[in-house]
Amino acid sequence: QVQLQESGPGLVKASETLSLTCTVSGGSIGSYYWNWIRQPAGKGLEWIGRIYSSGNTNYNPSLKSRVTMSVDTSKNHFSLKVDSMTAADMAVYYCARDGGEKPGAFDVWGQGTMVTVSS
Amino acid sequence: QSALTQPASVSGSPGQSITISCTGTSSDVGTFNLVSWYQQHPGKAPKLMIYEGTKRPSGVSDRFSGSKSGNTASLTISGLQAEDEADYYCCSFAGGRVFGGGTKLTVL
Repeated sequence: QVQLQESGPGLVKASETLSLTCTVSGGSIGSYYWNWIRQPAGKGLEWIGRIYSSGNTNYNPSLKSRVTMSVDTSKNHFSLKVDSMTAADMAVYYCARDGGEKPGAFDVWGQGTMVTVSS
Repeated sequence: QSALTQPASVSGSPGQSITISCTGTSSDVGTFNLVSWYQQHPGKAPKLMIYEGTKRPSGVSDRFSGSKSGNTASLTISGLQAEDEADYYCCSFAGGRVFGGGTKLTVL
């Protein structure tokens, strides 16, 4: 059974870069899309973007200028960087899988990691 | 990409049925049969309940069903149970992905 685990600093200073990693266990990172989704406290879900195992990416247009995703198939993990963090970026960040047998749907999720931005 | 429109809240009594709507546009819900629905309990990650508009993953109760008409997708929960109380989100393919604002379901 595939499991996802986010890791990274829970506290980032304003204007600095957030770096998170999602490790895939119980299965291969190949042949799926791997997504980042965030949720500010008390608010809804926002799709940040996705990366295919080949490295192809799609980003939310509203975040595209500040987001970079990468994948390391040898380590079975993928990563997110968000530049110029502000208080508006404080959220629980989830990684999730889509593609495969359930097209367009996020069928496996990480538990989420809370990111706080300090001034 | 504009967020899909969901009612902020719905409620129902145990045993009743409720429907949550998710309205998009011809650029997302209306064109692609790739609407999915997620259930989220407080402090937990979302859980996939419906994909491709009408399909249920293995292990999801058949009390949950999905449908679509034009630019609006819907999630129906029949035979409401206390454990169904949660937030529900729709999501559509739109080049990338766009979520609805979420609906809080209260079981009275």
